[in-house]
Amino acid sequence: DGGITQSPKYLFRKEGQNVTLSCEQNLNHDAMYWYRQDPGQGLRLIYYSQIVNDFQKGDIAEGYSVSREKKESFPLTVTSAQKNPTAFYLCASKVTGAGNEQFFGPGTRLTVL
Amino acid sequence: QKEVEQDPGPLSVPEGAIVSLNCTYSNSAFQYFMWYRQYSRKGPELLMYTYSSGNKEDGRFTAQVDKSSKYISLFIRDSQPSDSATYLCAMSANTGGFKTIFGAGTRLFVKA
Repeated sequence: DGGITQSPKYLFRKEGQNVTLSCEQNLNHDAMYWYRQDPGQGLRLIYYSQIVNDFQKGDIAEGYSVSREKKESFPLTVTSAQKNPTAFYLCASKVTGAGNEQFFGPGTRLTVL
Repeated sequence: QKEVEQDPGPLSVPEGAIVSLNCTYSNSAFQYFMWYRQYSRKGPELLMYTYSSGNKEDGRFTAQVDKSSKYISLFIRDSQPSDSATYLCAMSANTGGFKTIFGAGTRLFVKA
C-alpha cells in the first residue's frame, strides 16, 4: 500500500539533545513538508522540499534542520536551539504543482522532559 | 489578521444533525480549497477538495466555496458519532502552489 510513514510515534527528549524524526513515503511524490501542530493552532510550516537535494525554510524554521538525499525520505532534526520543541510533528507529501492536495503521515509526538 | 480564520469550537451536536463548518480567508488568490478530518493524535486525512467556486458533494459531505465572499463551508448530513474529530480547512493559490495555508481546525463532537 502506498503511503507516508513517520517514526517513532512518541519521542521523549531531554533538554539540550538533538533528535531526528523520520518521514518516508512511497507515493512517488516530489514535494515533501514538515509541519508543527500545537493545541488551538493551525499547522505551521517548518521546512519543505520540492525536489531531491533542495529544501526551503518555512515559517518557523529556527531550531530545526532537514535533509533530502532521497526522494522517499525527508528527516527532520529538532536541535537544542529550538526553545519550545514539545509538539505534534506532521510530515506530508504531494505531487509537485499548484493545487495538488497534500497527504499526511500519522505524526510524531515529541515531548521534552 | 490571519490569512485563514476558522472557529475552533468545540461544536457539539446530536447524532443525525446537519453540521456546518466554515472558514473565511483574506487572500483572493486562493483557488484550491480542501477540508481535512483529523482524529485525536492522528494525521489529517483529506476529506474534500474543490477548485474555485461552487459545490462538491461526496456522500454525506458537501463542500461549498464562495469566492466573492471569501468563505468556504463543509456540510455534514446525518452526522454520526464517528464524525467526531477536528476539521481543518486548507487552501492554496496558483502561484507559489507549493504552500498550503491551514485553518486552526474546528473540534466537532457528535453525541449518540
